[in-house]
Amino acid sequence: KNEVEQSPQNLTAQEGEFITINCSYSVGISALHWLQQHPGGGIVSLFMLSSGKKKHGRLIATINIQEKHSSLHITASHPRDSAVYICAARALDKIIFGKGTRLHILP
Amino acid sequence: NAGVTQTPKFRILKIGQSMTLQCAQDMNHNYMYWYRQDPGMGLKLIYYSVGAGITDKGEVPNGYNVSRSTTEDFPLRLELAAPSQTSVYFCASSYSRGGQETQYFGPGTRLLVL
Repeated sequence: KNEVEQSPQNLTAQEGEFITINCSYSVGISALHWLQQHPGGGIVSLFMLSSGKKKHGRLIATINIQEKHSSLHITASHPRDSAVYICAARALDKIIFGKGTRLHILP
Repeated sequence: NAGVTQTPKFRILKIGQSMTLQCAQDMNHNYMYWYRQDPGMGLKLIYYSVGAGITDKGEVPNGYNVSRSTTEDFPLRLELAAPSQTSVYFCASSYSRGGQETQYFGPGTRLLVL
């Protein structure tokens, strides 16, 4: 079993829908990262969380340390949000990536 | 700022050949990382550096070497290329401020070993 699991693996939604991507991890962490990988391959860091909730524009990330679970939400989704979203758990001496969630927003 | 740059963008190697993947950043970041991304798999950390002169192994260091003689540059060396090293390689740098870390990724180098 992977130490970082994301769900769903693939998600197709209509423009405007509220999107939730989940990340569960089994290791003790100091922080959790959310990344966005564009269709062309470029990777952008979205959030780093160690507790609570963060918001940037239409993106919201939450983390529950006790339950070892984080979620990434996208409000009012848009086709330009189509990408692979990756969570990464940072432990003291390692960083473990999920396999990513491929999101496709239809116009 | 150019951010994080990587060269080459794409390379084909024969088994046993060697090459160096270049990575440079102009943001004065102390932390730098090398990752590989295999199809359908998550990113895996190869090596990282917390500052000039300091490097540490990540999850998958075998077959690779790194050096960090300057803050700006973090080259990744493949000595004897193997088909298992076919992958996309990403370099990243980061800074930490107030407990928050932001990683900046390069555009990637696609390597094919035949």
